[in-house]
Amino acid sequence: AQSVAQPEDQVNVAEGNPLTVKCTYSVSGNPYLFWYVQYPNRGLQFLLKYITGDNLVKGSYGFEAEFNKSQTSFHLKKPSALVSDSALYFCAVSHVFSGGYNKLIFGAGTRLAVHP
Amino acid sequence: GAGVSQSPSNKVTEKGKDVELRCDPISGHTALYWYRQSLGQGLEFLIYFQGNSAPDKSGLPSDRFSAERTGGSVSTLTIQRTQQEDSAVYLCASSLAQGANSPLHFGNGTRLTVT
Repeated sequence: AQSVAQPEDQVNVAEGNPLTVKCTYSVSGNPYLFWYVQYPNRGLQFLLKYITGDNLVKGSYGFEAEFNKSQTSFHLKKPSALVSDSALYFCAVSHVFSGGYNKLIFGAGTRLAVHP
Repeated sequence: GAGVSQSPSNKVTEKGKDVELRCDPISGHTALYWYRQSLGQGLEFLIYFQGNSAPDKSGLPSDRFSAERTGGSVSTLTIQRTQQEDSAVYLCASSLAQGANSPLHFGNGTRLTVT
């Protein structure tokens, strides 16, 4: 069965410092990996995805993520955090054999708090 | 352009009552999904529509839950005889393509509170 783990409930970062939000996954076969962000009282917004190709994926708002097949990880990163990046971040996985549609399995979420 | 629209944004209902939650997907998006977000369970897949048919209903928690989609557009999620454990945020998402790599676009959700 597919699963996603986000080992940190919360990550605290000072503004201007680099940030990393961790994600590991378990899926048979090749995964499709996604990051979404959720601001208070809003739905999820798509940040970036890994399908195939370069292991480093760049997305919205200066975020990037690195796919590491050997470690089954897809950590979200940003070189310099902003206070406005404070939100709830979700990692998700789907599978190329998932029936031809994007049945996402989500991690529990990591709350990012960026302090001035 | 307009995103995924959900209504109502908040719904408070008494235990035992039926509720209907509405989702208007992005125009032209053929795939539509319902998810539930609750404190103890995180984000759970409920149902997937391709056009008006639902090939995957595997996430519906019980037979009190049902959903339909008409005209390949609007979808309604119905919960009958609501229970307190149904309290959650119900999120609708749509995507342009059917493929497993097509990003989902989420609405802001309906927060359901069952008293």
